[in-house]
Amino acid sequence: ILNVEQSPQSLHVQEGDSTNFTCSFPSSNFYALHWYRWETAKSPEALFVMTLNGDEKKKGRISATLNTKEGYSYLYIKGSQPEDSATYLCALGSGGYQKVTFGTGTKLQVIP
Amino acid sequence: DAGVIQSPRHEVTEMGQEVTLRCKPISGHNSLFWYRQTMMRGLELLIYFNNNVPIDDSGMPEDRFSAKMPNASFSTLKIQPSEPRDSAVYFCASSLIDSYNSPLHFGNGTRLTVT
Repeated sequence: ILNVEQSPQSLHVQEGDSTNFTCSFPSSNFYALHWYRWETAKSPEALFVMTLNGDEKKKGRISATLNTKEGYSYLYIKGSQPEDSATYLCALGSGGYQKVTFGTGTKLQVIP
Repeated sequence: DAGVIQSPRHEVTEMGQEVTLRCKPISGHNSLFWYRQTMMRGLELLIYFNNNVPIDDSGMPEDRFSAKMPNASFSTLKIQPSEPRDSAVYFCASSLIDSYNSPLHFGNGTRLTVT
């Protein structure tokens, strides 16, 4: 069983605050680390897929880093906006055919 | 690109009935995943296929669940007989596994209610 752990489980921040969440995973058999954004009543949408230790990705105000040796990834949101409110999922790609296993997510609520 | 298409969007059935969920992946994608969303476990991987071949079905909860992918453009997830505890949202996702940085593309899900 691949345990992908995310923390915190939920988070409330004020508009304009910056925030970050953590994803930890077993580093053996690692191929890729995915981050997805999941809005209520919609489907998860990919933010980033990272494969190399030390990878950093950025999309607008959202960025992510990856440490495969110690088995963790951080997702950062700079200057949170109400539209950033969503559940953020990380997922581990492992195995030869890229089995993708999700964590339970961090639910972010940005208060105007 | 029409995206991943799932049908039906909603399914309400009685306990004991057979339920079939359908998925059409994005054209050209070679991997297909079935997930179940529950409050307790989040997105739980049930089974995934690569080039129409089931690779790992260890997440299928019981023999009542089965999945097929007869060709590259169609997959089904069947529950027979259905039980109230199967009530959940079932997602299908597809991906092009030609490199390790391919994201999953999700369908809109099927909300299953078993009474």
